[in-house]
Amino acid sequence: AQKVTQAQTEISVVEKEDVTLDCVYETRDTTYYLFWYKQPPSGELVFLIRRNSFDEQNEISGRYSWNFQKSTSSFNFTITASQVVDSAVYFCALSETNFGNEKLTFGTGTRLTIIP
Amino acid sequence: DTGVSQDPRHKITKRGQNVTFRCDPISEHNRLYWYRQTLGQGPEFLTYFQNEAQLEKSRLLSDRFSAERPKGSFSTLEIQRTEQGDSAMYLCASSLAGGGVVAYEQYFGPGTRLTVT
Repeated sequence: AQKVTQAQTEISVVEKEDVTLDCVYETRDTTYYLFWYKQPPSGELVFLIRRNSFDEQNEISGRYSWNFQKSTSSFNFTITASQVVDSAVYFCALSETNFGNEKLTFGTGTRLTIIP
Repeated sequence: DTGVSQDPRHKITKRGQNVTFRCDPISEHNRLYWYRQTLGQGPEFLTYFQNEAQLEKSRLLSDRFSAERPKGSFSTLEIQRTEQGDSAMYLCASSLAGGGVVAYEQYFGPGTRLTVT
């Protein structure tokens, strides 16, 4: 069965520091997608990135970057020069596709607090 | 382009009562998903639709739960004979239909917070 582990329950960093959120996944599927979502205090989940299992290139979007390593089944998320607005709960999620159901399996989330 | 909307945003009900939630997906999305999220946890999959067809229900979903998407547009989730354990945030999401080896991102609504007293 598919599983996503976010071992870091809570992280606090001082503003402008870099921070990395870890995500480790398990799947039997050879084709799958990985996602990151942000859930700010308002509660609504915000999509950040989608990555398929065939594309191991790292991706950068502004202050955000993602490191996908199939060899270690990890899809880590780094925020550079953190800001107070980055404070939120971040979820990593997995979707298997070969079995026809694209439901998301989420990790338990990492609560990130940026201290001004 | 409006996002996913859900109604009501909050619902307080007494144990044993029935409740119904509504979700309006992004208009061009033919996939619609329901998830449940409890405090300190990630969302858990409940069920999903492609157009009006309900394609899968989680084993977590008891017989007291039923969902519909009658015309392939909005969806309703009904919980009958609510129990205190049903208290949670109920999230709706929509996406384009993938299929094959493609999965598209899901866009989430603001959720309906249910409190069963």
